[in-house]
Amino acid sequence: AQTVTQSQPEMSVQEAETVTLSCTYDTSENNYYLFWYKQPPSRQMILVIRQEAYKQQNATENRFSVNFQKAAKSFSLKISDSQLGDTAMYFCAFMKRNAGNMLTFGGGTRLMVKP
Amino acid sequence: SQTIHQWPATLVQPVGSPLSLECTVEGTSNPNLYWYRQAAGRGLQLLFYSVGIGQISSEVPQNLSASRPQDRQFILSSKKLLLSDSGFYLCAWGRQGGNQPQHFGDGTRLSIL
Repeated sequence: AQTVTQSQPEMSVQEAETVTLSCTYDTSENNYYLFWYKQPPSRQMILVIRQEAYKQQNATENRFSVNFQKAAKSFSLKISDSQLGDTAMYFCAFMKRNAGNMLTFGGGTRLMVKP
Repeated sequence: SQTIHQWPATLVQPVGSPLSLECTVEGTSNPNLYWYRQAAGRGLQLLFYSVGIGQISSEVPQNLSASRPQDRQFILSSKKLLLSDSGFYLCAWGRQGGNQPQHFGDGTRLSIL
């Protein structure tokens, strides 16, 4: 079984600054996917970014990028030039390859962007 | 494009009353479907998932049940609600066999009085 751990329950950052959210996971699988989801106060779950474990290059989506360290089983999310609209809960999630799309979620990190 | 609809958006029910939450997906066929519950300020708990019509798997024992009467319809039900059933319920879908992530509906906020 897989486990996903987000060790920072809450974080805050000043608008326009950079923040990094941590995620570690435990698995015996070699092929898998990792995701970050964002849940703003509206409660909708939005996919932010995905990473395939077989790719060494870190995924990037505009101001969002990841630092994927496969050996360390670490998958952190960096948000650059933070905006007020980035205020949300962020969930890290793990998905095995070729096993449907069952996700294992971390407990979440609440991010507050301050003006 | 695919869309997922979930309703109602909010619901207030008395203890002991029945429940029916509905989720439908458009623009795809034979999706995997999921029901999650989220307590306030907490993570997601997977309640049920389905890989096809009439096929329901339950992750945790509880007061709720799920059904999939049609390919793109997923219903969460209860015969008698408990106070502990309060929470935010999210439906999600994922494409079968494509190593694709789940996509979520807007959720239902359920309050039990």
